[in-house]
Amino acid sequence: SAVISQKPSRDICQRGTSLTIQCQVDSQVTMMFWYRQQPGQSLTLIATANQGSEATYESGFVIDKFPISRPNLTFSTLTVSNMSPEDSSIYLCSADGPYGEKLFFGSGTQLSVL
Amino acid sequence: KQEVTQIPAALSVPEGENLVLNCSFTDSAIYNLQWFRQDPGKGLTSLLLIQSSQREQTSGRLNASLDKSSGRSTLYIAASQPGDSATYLCAVGTNAGKSTFGDGTTLTVKP
Repeated sequence: SAVISQKPSRDICQRGTSLTIQCQVDSQVTMMFWYRQQPGQSLTLIATANQGSEATYESGFVIDKFPISRPNLTFSTLTVSNMSPEDSSIYLCSADGPYGEKLFFGSGTQLSVL
Repeated sequence: KQEVTQIPAALSVPEGENLVLNCSFTDSAIYNLQWFRQDPGKGLTSLLLIQSSQREQTSGRLNASLDKSSGRSTLYIAASQPGDSATYLCAVGTNAGKSTFGDGTTLTVKP
């Protein structure tokens, strides 16, 4: 099984600032995914991050707001830019297992924007 | 577009009861289905994964079934304990690796 380390675990940020969330996987994975979970709601996919190419964003999410990096097969970052209180959510990264058969999740980043 | 529905939204049971959580999906062309547990303010913990060719998976007191043709999955929890209190999410996966999540069932097991 894959272990995903995500940090920070939580942060409180001021409006207009940016926060970068990091995810480190203990094995090489092809695909990594970033999800958002707004208060009281389920998870919504933000984008798919593949190494060596630009991330693919879902409808309603744009690169300027959520730039993603994927420099290698074990690491990815998500930046939440120019934050507003509406960005207050839990952000989770995930990756397929070594054989692409299972979705593993990081422990999440709980973001509060004042 | 795949839609995933979980019923009930919330469930409260006394300790020791057996219970069933339901998940339904609209597109039967799935790659897998996974059940997760989420504690308040935390990330997700994978409980059971069922591949599209499988009918059920078991782990300890948990049993998950999958009926692709009817677009349904159930998570059966035997002999519930207060430590089982959490939100349970089902996620339907495609072969592209993306998953669509249901809204979850919040379970409370009373001592």
